[in-house]
Amino acid sequence: EAGVTQFPSHSVIEKGQTVTLRCDPISGHDNLYWYRRVMGKEIKFLLHFVKESKQDESGMPNNRFLAERTGGTYSTLKVQPAELEDSGVYFCASSQKAKAFFGQGTRLTVV
Amino acid sequence: AQKVTQAQTEISVVEKEDVTLDCVYETRDTTYYLFWYKQPPSGELVFLIRRNSFDEQNEISGRYSWNFQKSTSSFNFTITASQVVDSAVYFCALSDPNFGNEKLTFGTGTRLTIIP
Repeated sequence: EAGVTQFPSHSVIEKGQTVTLRCDPISGHDNLYWYRRVMGKEIKFLLHFVKESKQDESGMPNNRFLAERTGGTYSTLKVQPAELEDSGVYFCASSQKAKAFFGQGTRLTVV
Repeated sequence: AQKVTQAQTEISVVEKEDVTLDCVYETRDTTYYLFWYKQPPSGELVFLIRRNSFDEQNEISGRYSWNFQKSTSSFNFTITASQVVDSAVYFCALSDPNFGNEKLTFGTGTRLTIIP
């Protein structure tokens, strides 16, 4: 069974540019989460989808971040325009029955 | 508010030694889950264990064991006879029952290095 897959694995962009991160959850998992780890700090919750609906987006830093989940399948997280403090590792997780499976993360570096 | 504290930022031990990673949590909820995840150099977060707050039995899985003590709000993780492949960053996490127990609060992680 395929796990959670994230694309790209690494992204280096200049301040002010736009980046889109993608997450493909485990097939059949309705719950999809985005988390972020800024260097040396804890992994922090960003938002939660149940199928295509945003259940909780209380962790989104600001309106430069936009998450979508088309048709309740894969999800994208767009950062526009990117700022230096957006650098970090972005994790996606899908879950079923209170057990979350994480992807390998996307390391975003804004220069 | 929930909080998870992993006071040990980095630990290094020589191969075959035992090592314990500490995790202390704070929550006002009576029902919750505790987790440990491993992040190897490849980057993904690998699920290790989930423990229900009502189940205080210690668990052993091969060389791994977990000690859950509700009285001290701790959920410590011990690796026995450590191996180089155990080198990774380990995260402790706490679920939020107000969000179906699937929204997690993580600690800052402990980087474990096993020296051959």
